[in-house]
Amino acid sequence: DVKVTQSSRYLVKRTGEKVFLECVQDMDHENMFWYRQDPGLGLRLIYFSYDVKMKEKGDIPEGYSVSREKKERFSLILESASTNQTSMYLCASSSGTVQETQYFGPGTRLLVL
Amino acid sequence: GNSVTQMEGPVTLSEEAFLTINCTYTATGYPSLFWYVQYPGEGLQLLLKATKADDKGSNKGFEATYRKETTSFHLEKGSVQVSDSAVYFCALSLYNFNKFYFGSGTKLNVKP
Repeated sequence: DVKVTQSSRYLVKRTGEKVFLECVQDMDHENMFWYRQDPGLGLRLIYFSYDVKMKEKGDIPEGYSVSREKKERFSLILESASTNQTSMYLCASSSGTVQETQYFGPGTRLLVL
Repeated sequence: GNSVTQMEGPVTLSEEAFLTINCTYTATGYPSLFWYVQYPGEGLQLLLKATKADDKGSNKGFEATYRKETTSFHLEKGSVQVSDSAVYFCALSLYNFNKFYFGSGTKLNVKP
């Protein structure tokens, strides 16, 4: 079974703090993705990566950055957290084959005060 | 552009009722189509998928048929259970790095 794990299920941070969200997958997948999920808006893609050290902006990259130093690990960084970044963050991975299933982690619910 | 539109929820049904959740899409090219389910407090799980026109995906009693002529992928189940209560997401993927486009989700509540 594919397993995607995220470092925290719940996180509370202060405005202006630097926040790291980590995601690890154990299936040797080439592609990894970060989404945020907000009520009524569904999932919105923040960043994705198709290879180590490669990254591409998604639909809402502002205020975020990412790092992929190893194939199995994809980190999302909030350089200076703001209250409008309070959300559920979901990580996903997929193989390099086109139109393949994405596998999701359990999510991190982030609250920025 | 590429997008997915789902019926708004919540949808509330009694146990053993028939379920339909509508999903239509707009895509440049030939997408694969997916239904994901999210149970409370969890991430998304793949429910079923279809990769070409007229394919039917099925799993756990749920079915959806890829209709190219109506650009639709409606989710159906003949008899829902309380345990089916969850949020259902329709999605499409295209060739560019396997990017997905998700609908806004439809919450299903099934009452005993």
